[in-house]
Amino acid sequence: NAGVTQTPKFQVLKTGQSMTLQCAQDMNHNSMYWYRQDPGMGLRLIYYSASEGTTDKGEVPNGYNVSRLNKREFSLRLESAAPSQTSVYFCASGLSLGETQYFGPGTRLLVL
Amino acid sequence: AQSVSQHNHHVILSEAASLELGCNYSYGGTVNLFWYVQYPGQHLQLLLKYFSGDPLVKGIKGFEAEFIKSKFSFNLRKPSVQWSDTAEYFCAVRSNTGGFKTIFGAGTRLFVKA
Repeated sequence: NAGVTQTPKFQVLKTGQSMTLQCAQDMNHNSMYWYRQDPGMGLRLIYYSASEGTTDKGEVPNGYNVSRLNKREFSLRLESAAPSQTSVYFCASGLSLGETQYFGPGTRLLVL
Repeated sequence: AQSVSQHNHHVILSEAASLELGCNYSYGGTVNLFWYVQYPGQHLQLLLKYFSGDPLVKGIKGFEAEFIKSKFSFNLRKPSVQWSDTAEYFCAVRSNTGGFKTIFGAGTRLFVKA
């Protein structure tokens, strides 16, 4: 039982490049989330998926897109990376919205 | 706007000192309250939560938190901290008036001196 896994662990991008962050959970959870963590700002919700087939914007969705590929997987895409997107990105899952969330190890992204 | 406020961004304590970290929220309605902890180099993990019932909640590693509805607060306490409690602590709130999303506070970095 791996819990929540994320790939890659680290990534360096140049401004304008695109990339997809992958997230998978093996706990049969319905809800999944993407957060970014910045110093002094805590965790801010980018997008979430209440259940397979649905996605919704969080607090800071601009510049990102998501895909809930199936119940297990929830990917985050940066179409044209900007330096302001330098951050640590966390994926999380939970049995349902509002329940305890289980977090992945994070992806450190640097945009030059 | 709905928000979660953690009063202290950085706290430094000596071992055996008592800890209280403040958390206030601005939501109305029914709330679920959480404290998560992130130890250095590790994932965020749940410390304790309150959904209903006794407003004094006990969590792992000797932590507890008290929900005071009239003050919109959910402060985290520990009577005697250890060096291993050095971590970042996040308060989180989910409200039925907030679209069921969970909103996190900015976090408090605790450093415990041995």
